[in-house]
Parts: sequence; C-alpha cells; structure tokens
Amino acid sequence: AQSVSQHNHHVILSEAASLELGCNYSYGGTVNLFWYVQYPGQHLQLLLKYFSGDPLVKGIKGFEAEFIKSKFSFNLRKPSVQWSDTAEYFCAVITNRDDKIIFGKGTRLHILP
Amino acid sequence: DSGVTQTPKHLITATGQRVTLRCSPRSGDLSVYWYQQSLDQGLQFLIQYYNGEERAKGNILERFSAQQFPDLHSELNLSSLELGDSALYFCASSPGGSFLNTEAFFGQGTRLTVV
Repeated sequence: AQSVSQHNHHVILSEAASLELGCNYSYGGTVNLFWYVQYPGQHLQLLLKYFSGDPLVKGIKGFEAEFIKSKFSFNLRKPSVQWSDTAEYFCAVITNRDDKIIFGKGTRLHILP
Repeated sequence: DSGVTQTPKHLITATGQRVTLRCSPRSGDLSVYWYQQSLDQGLQFLIQYYNGEERAKGNILERFSAQQFPDLHSELNLSSLELGDSALYFCASSPGGSFLNTEAFFGQGTRLTVV
C-alpha cells in the first residue's frame, strides 16, 4: 500500500532560521503531491501542490517544495521562518492507482520568537 | 474560509452513545470525503461519497456509517462510541469523483470527545 513518511515529528527553530521538512512516499507511478498546514485550532490549508511539470513548486507564505522523482521525495523548504509559521505540516500524496489522499503523520513546527 | 462547512464544531458525549456529524461541501462539489485525525493514527481516510453514492471506503469501523443526501451534504454517524473514538473528524470536498489533478478543500472539523 502507498504510504507517506515524514521524518521529523517535532521541529523547533528560531525566527529567521531556514527550514526543511522531509517527506518521502512509496509509489512508483503517477503521483500528485501536496503540503498542507494546520494552524492551532484550524482546518487544513493547502500550502502548495505538484501535479506535473517544473519539479520546484512555489506555494503561499514563502514556502517551496522540490519533487525529486528518483528519491521519491517532496521536501518542504522556507529560507527564513517566522513565529507565525508555528503549526503542524502534513505531506500528502494521491496516486493514479489509489485515488484518495494519503497523509503523512505530520510535523509539528515550533518557532521561537 | 474553504467553503466546506462542518457542524457541530465541538461535541462531548458519553461512551455507548450515538452522534451525527454534518458536512456541507463547497458549492458545486460532488464528492465528500471523511477523515479522522487522532494523535496516534494521524489523518486516516474513512469514506468517500460521490453524487450520493459511496465511492471508496477506508479504515471505517462497522460502528460508523455515512451517507450523502440529494442536496450533496453528508452525514457521518458514529454509534456505540468508545473512548478511542475521540478525535477530530474532517470533511473534504472536491469537484469531481477524483482527487487526482484537483484540489481538496477541508472543513474546520468536528472535535469529538467521548467521556
């Protein structure tokens, strides 16, 4: 079965630090890839998505992610984090074989002011 | 605001009881998906309805059931509740019968606490 692994369960950074959250998926066929963010007490919001084309995807709030097919990875990056980025981040995948969103277990990001 | 509405936002009930969670999809969206979010299991897909019919089933317990009505709103029924059913239940909607090459929009969730 397809799965999504997020390597970091809890990340603590200071403001202005650079961020990279890892995400790997297990499926060799066509995939759609997503990063969602969940601020405390709120619903899931889409940060960015990859369907096809340029593997470097830019999303909202200065986030970007790079799809590396050979590594089955879709890591999320931000050059300089802000306190308001404190949230939980979920990587997700949809495959052409199993048409539902499969989520990773999430990474809780805590930014120190 | 995603356009997906879930009610109620919070629900506290006792073990053994039955509750109904409601979801109204975005205008024009035909598919509704239900997810359960708990600390130990993360986000788990429960079930999908498309235009009134069940389309896909995930890790949904037999004590749970769902339906989608002609006006496309959906209800998730949870019965014989156990402490372990305490979780955040999300609903998502998408325009067609597939998530592929489209975007899902999530509601704010219903936080269920079973005591």
